[in-house]
Amino acid sequence: GENVEQHPSTLSVQEGDSAVIKCTYSDSASNYFPWYKQELGKGPQLIIDIRSNVGEKKDQRIAVTLNKTAKHFSLHITETQPEDSAVYFCAAGDQGGKLIFGQGTELSVKP
Amino acid sequence: DVKVTQSSRYLVKRTGEKVFLECVQDMDHENMFWYRQDPGLGLRLIYFSYDVKMKEKGDIPEGYSVSREKKERFSLILESASTNQTSMYLCASKIGGASTEAFFGQGTRLTVV
Repeated sequence: GENVEQHPSTLSVQEGDSAVIKCTYSDSASNYFPWYKQELGKGPQLIIDIRSNVGEKKDQRIAVTLNKTAKHFSLHITETQPEDSAVYFCAAGDQGGKLIFGQGTELSVKP
Repeated sequence: DVKVTQSSRYLVKRTGEKVFLECVQDMDHENMFWYRQDPGLGLRLIYFSYDVKMKEKGDIPEGYSVSREKKERFSLILESASTNQTSMYLCASKIGGASTEAFFGQGTRLTVV
């Protein structure tokens, strides 16, 4: 079946540094790639997404890139802050609306 | 604001019990999901419902069933709870079709003893 691999599982950075999380997907029919942030005790919330007809999207300190040929997509967070500490999930969606998630990355930003 | 409400935050059940986890959304969304979250394994899809009375198995449907009789409500059923079903269960909903944001409930932490 469809599979989404996410790396790394944990990431620790100093405040102000950049953080990069990478995902690969297996289903060529996937055409929607959202990223979710989960804070302690809460459900995941969408932070940014990209569609298959776009290579890159940016929203303030967050950017996502997509390489459809290689089936890779990545989340980039610049100028990290302690409040960025959370678990981040990538996902791949198909035309029918189904969403398959990666394993998650626990990001820790040290002041 | 979209609201996805899961009936319980914490639940403790005994092995062999039939367990119902309820999820209700208030935005008339067509798609609803049940995921299971375990450390190191991320969010694994149990079942997906793309509309009322329509369902599709996810990656780990064994030991679970679902019911969607009304658009706003999606129930996850553990026919005979086992200790390996101890986990965090997350419900989500979204507008039907591709490229739409999924909204999650706060989760139900189920412990089977």
